[in-house]
Amino acid sequence: DIQMTQSPSSLSASVGDRVTINCRASQSISSYLNWYQQKPGKAPNLLIYAASTLESGVPSRFSGSGSGTDFTLTISSLQPQDFATYYCQQSYSTPYTFGQGTKLEIK
Amino acid sequence: QVQLVQSGAEVKKPGASVKVSCKASGYTFTAYYMHWVRQAPGQGLEWMGWINPNSGVTNYAQKFQGRVTMTRDTSISTAYMELSRLRSDDTAVYYCARLDGYGSGSYYTWFDPWGQGTLVTVSS
Repeated sequence: DIQMTQSPSSLSASVGDRVTINCRASQSISSYLNWYQQKPGKAPNLLIYAASTLESGVPSRFSGSGSGTDFTLTISSLQPQDFATYYCQQSYSTPYTFGQGTKLEIK
Repeated sequence: QVQLVQSGAEVKKPGASVKVSCKASGYTFTAYYMHWVRQAPGQGLEWMGWINPNSGVTNYAQKFQGRVTMTRDTSISTAYMELSRLRSDDTAVYYCARLDGYGSGSYYTWFDPWGQGTLVTVSS
């Protein structure tokens, strides 16, 4: 199985900050990497697919980059509604696996 | 709009079974694989498997082999996930999620949308 490791596990930041979340795969997954945002009590919501393609309707302050084993989610200027938990997920092969999550909290 | 609506919360005793439904609307049900993902309280996301609603073919994560059964009823555009021999560590929110994708050659896939989740509590 492909292991996905996110860092950091939690992050405190302020509105307006630029934030970066990292995701590393245990083997190369090309660009088969997706990012989701999850708010408490809600289902995950797709932000970015194929490593860098922004889902329709997602604000342009979100961006994704990377290929192979190392990926990054960047939020260019944090807004109050961005405080949530973020997950990466590989779609290279089953079993599809997720990172353990990064909880983004208000400083 | 594309939507997945799941059945309500369940409370089960250890050793029992639970069956969660996921009703799809707004798209052709048989055209997209349906996946199931669970999330234990305060934990991350765990993939359980998929069903091809067109053929009924399934693929389960090894961890759940022998305990999970995914089925569908195409007449009502509904997918089901049944988990048997429940244990306390099966307490979780269970999500269905449609697998979408694009590409030729390299075919990229992702989960969108997700159902609202069904809380299954296993307790004696």
